[in-house]
Amino acid sequence: EAGVAQSPRYKIIEKRQSVAFWCNPISGHATLYWYQQILGQGPKLLIQFQNNGVVDDSQLPKDRFSAERLKGVDSTLKIQPAKLEDSAVYLCASSLGSGAGPHDEQYFGPGTRLTVT
Amino acid sequence: GDSVTQMEGPVTLSEEAFLTINCTYTATGYPSLFWYVQYPGEGLQLLLKATKADDKGSNKGFEATYRKETTSFHLEKGSVQVSDSAVYFCALSPSGYSTLTFGKGTMLLVSP
Repeated sequence: EAGVAQSPRYKIIEKRQSVAFWCNPISGHATLYWYQQILGQGPKLLIQFQNNGVVDDSQLPKDRFSAERLKGVDSTLKIQPAKLEDSAVYLCASSLGSGAGPHDEQYFGPGTRLTVT
Repeated sequence: GDSVTQMEGPVTLSEEAFLTINCTYTATGYPSLFWYVQYPGEGLQLLLKATKADDKGSNKGFEATYRKETTSFHLEKGSVQVSDSAVYFCALSPSGYSTLTFGKGTMLLVSP
């Protein structure tokens, strides 16, 4: 079974530029998550989708971050404009069901490492 | 709000040594508790979990017991291998929800 795919794996941009990340979840998984992992910290949830609807985006900085999940499959996360503090690894995860409960395991992709200079 | 505190690393051990990585949490109600592992260059993988007090999660020789009285979920392994070198994250999710709150992670380095 193919895992969660993410691209690109690495990205370097200058501040105030825009950047987009792509995630392809495991086939058939209804719920998709985007996390931000700053160096030395644990991942922090940015947004959670169930199919193509947003379940939780309370920690997404909506003035500069946006995300969509078209047709309930692939997802893109965009930052516009980027700031230095956005340097982090952006992780995508997916789960089979609604994610409501500990038995619905989240599977993580390898992440995209963003460096903002 | 909910939070997870892990011991700081790196933890450096020789092969076959005993491992303990401490994890304590703050949460209302009865959260579920998890340990995730991140090998170099790879994504996070679920290592083990426990969903209620006194449950013991185990996998690949690792164990952790959900202790509600001490709000702890310490990770242990009796004999570590070089291949166990990775970053270990303790996490919780509130009862009935999938949202994960992670600790900062603890790097484990095992030398031959």
